[in-house]
Amino acid sequence: DVKVTQSSRYLVKRTGEKVFLECVQDMDHENMFWYRQDPGLGLRLIYFSYDVKMKEKGDIPEGYSVSREKKERFSLILESASTNQTSMYLCASSLPNLREKLFFGSGTQLSVL
Amino acid sequence: AQRVTQPEKLLSVFKGAPVELKCNYSYSGSPELFWYVQYSRQRLQLLLRHISRESIKGFTADLNKGETSFHLKKPFAQEEDSAMYYCALKPQVDKLVFGAGTILRVKS
Repeated sequence: DVKVTQSSRYLVKRTGEKVFLECVQDMDHENMFWYRQDPGLGLRLIYFSYDVKMKEKGDIPEGYSVSREKKERFSLILESASTNQTSMYLCASSLPNLREKLFFGSGTQLSVL
Repeated sequence: AQRVTQPEKLLSVFKGAPVELKCNYSYSGSPELFWYVQYSRQRLQLLLRHISRESIKGFTADLNKGETSFHLKKPFAQEEDSAMYYCALKPQVDKLVFGAGTILRVKS
C-alpha cells in the first residue's frame, strides 16, 4: 500500500520564521505535489515536481519554495511565514501522467501566529 | 481558464434519500474528471474517475460535455457517506485542479 508520510501533523510557528514541511513517499513515484486546503477554497496547488531536482510552480507559489534532492522526498519551504499561510498543507504523489491516482498524505495543520 | 465549480458548500440529506453533488467545469480541451472524498480523520482519496465509468460505493458520475458538468449521484444515501467531496479536473498531463468541495451530511 502506498504511503505518503508528512513529518508533522500539527505545527505552530511565529511570523517571520522559516518553516520546513517534509513529505516522503515509499512507492518510487516520479510526481510529487504540495497543495494547501482552505475552507471554501478547496485544494490549491502550490508547487509540483516531475523528477528529482526539478520543480514547477502551481497556482499559488508566492511565499513558498520547494526542494527535491531525492526522489522520495519533497520539501515545502516557507521562507518567512506569515499569518495568511495558516492552513492545512497536503502532500501527494503519483505515477507519471497521473496513472492510477493521486496518493495523499494525512496533512500538516500549520498555524502562524 | 481551467476551473472547477462546486456550487454547494454543504448538502444535507436524510438517510435513504437520493444524493446529487454538483460539479461544473471550465476547460477548452477534452477533460478528464474525478471525484475525491475525505472521510472524517482520513486521507483524501480517489472515489471515481469518468473514464472508468464505474460505480463505487453506489456512487456514479456522468460527464456531460454539453452542460460541462460531472455531477456525483447516489440513489440512496447512507450515514457512512458523510464526508467532504471534491471534484477535480485534469487539464494537463500531470496536474489536477480541484473545486472548493462540498460537505455531505447524511442524517438518520
